[in-house]
Amino acid sequence: AQTVTQSQPEMSVQEAETVTLSCTYDTSESDYYLFWYKQPPSRQMILVIRQEAYKQQNATENRFSVNFQKAAKSFSLKISDSQLGDAAMYFCAYRSEGGATNKLIFGTGTLLAVQP
Amino acid sequence: KAGVTQTPRYLIKTRGQQVTLSCSPISGHRSVSWYQQTPGQGLQFLFEYFSETQRNKGNFPGRFSGRQFSNSRSEMNVSTLELGDSALYLCASSLFLDRGRTEAFFGQGTRLTVV
Repeated sequence: AQTVTQSQPEMSVQEAETVTLSCTYDTSESDYYLFWYKQPPSRQMILVIRQEAYKQQNATENRFSVNFQKAAKSFSLKISDSQLGDAAMYFCAYRSEGGATNKLIFGTGTLLAVQP
Repeated sequence: KAGVTQTPRYLIKTRGQQVTLSCSPISGHRSVSWYQQTPGQGLQFLFEYFSETQRNKGNFPGRFSGRQFSNSRSEMNVSTLELGDSALYLCASSLFLDRGRTEAFFGQGTRLTVV
């Protein structure tokens, strides 16, 4: 079975600074997708960034980028130029490729605080 | 384009009662998944439906059930409620089932409190 681990329950960053959230996962599959979701106090999960395992190039979405290390099964999220609106719970998630399912396996989350 | 709509937003029930939660996916989406979120267990997959058929089920007791209608709207039901069922229940809709970059869009959830 696949598992996702986020070892940082809480993180804090100053506004305009950079922060990196860690995520490791365990799987025996070779094809899969990895995601970072953001959950603000409004509770709605919002997709931040996605990475296909077959792609070596790290995904980037504006101020958000990932460091995907497939061999190490590591998938960290870097937030540059942090903004107050980035404060939220961040979840790392895994989805299998194939198997006729959209099931997401989530980590326990990292609560990010942004200090003005 | 309307997002995923979950109703009700908040619910208080008594132990032993049953409850039904509703999820209306984004128009055109045929895949609906349900998750339970608690402080202790985090986000756990309940089940998913595609074209009115349950395709996958998580490790939850039989008190948790669901269904999907022909218009892709989905309901989940919890019978004989227990205090431990208090949680945020999230619904996610996707256009396809397991097709590459298909993205899951989440609703705002239903906060269920069992007293």
